[in-house]
Amino acid sequence: AQRVTQPEKLLSVFKGAPVELKCNYSYSGSPELFWYVQYSRQRLQLLLRHISRESIKGFTADLNKGETSFHLKKPFAQEEDSAMYYCALNGGSQGNLIFGKGTKLSVKP
Amino acid sequence: DTAVSQTPKYLVTQMGNDKSIKCEQNLGHDTMYWYKQDSKKFLKIMFSYNNKELIINETVPNRFSPKSPDKAHLNLHINSLELGDSAVYFCASSQEDRFVTEAFFGQGTRLTVV
Repeated sequence: AQRVTQPEKLLSVFKGAPVELKCNYSYSGSPELFWYVQYSRQRLQLLLRHISRESIKGFTADLNKGETSFHLKKPFAQEEDSAMYYCALNGGSQGNLIFGKGTKLSVKP
Repeated sequence: DTAVSQTPKYLVTQMGNDKSIKCEQNLGHDTMYWYKQDSKKFLKIMFSYNNKELIINETVPNRFSPKSPDKAHLNLHINSLELGDSAVYFCASSQEDRFVTEAFFGQGTRLTVV
């Protein structure tokens, strides 16, 4: 079964601390994984995708097929990083995204 | 210049009413979706249309009916609204390319049934 698991509902850190938002997936084929972010009062938007291997706003995520994980990391959190983060998996030929339940990141000053 | 736009942004209505939420995308995408975000922020696919054809129809009450007059529009009609339908509904669109599918989301419609 295709599934995305984000074990943490809420993650609270202080400004400048490292951040890791966990994501594990279950998928039989070759997965395409994404992180989406929803800032307060804004629309859900793509943060990064594993295939690009890019760093956006200081965030990186590495696909680990052995551990079936795609954790999102940032070495030094900023207050403006506070948002809801969703890990998502491309559900296959139908093209829909399968989302995890989301992790709310709160960065305190 | 909004890529995916939904109307209305907020919708408050009484139980038993029928309502529609409209969605339009100007990205030229072939595929459009409706997602439901419940009170716990969980996002779940409801429907997917590709070139006006229904592709995905998840376990959704048949009171919910999507309508796609053309590939730039995917409207959601809900009959006999119930309290449990209260949620934020997101429209999205995507264009599968060779490598990856990125979905672009609308701002969401917060539906409150009273």
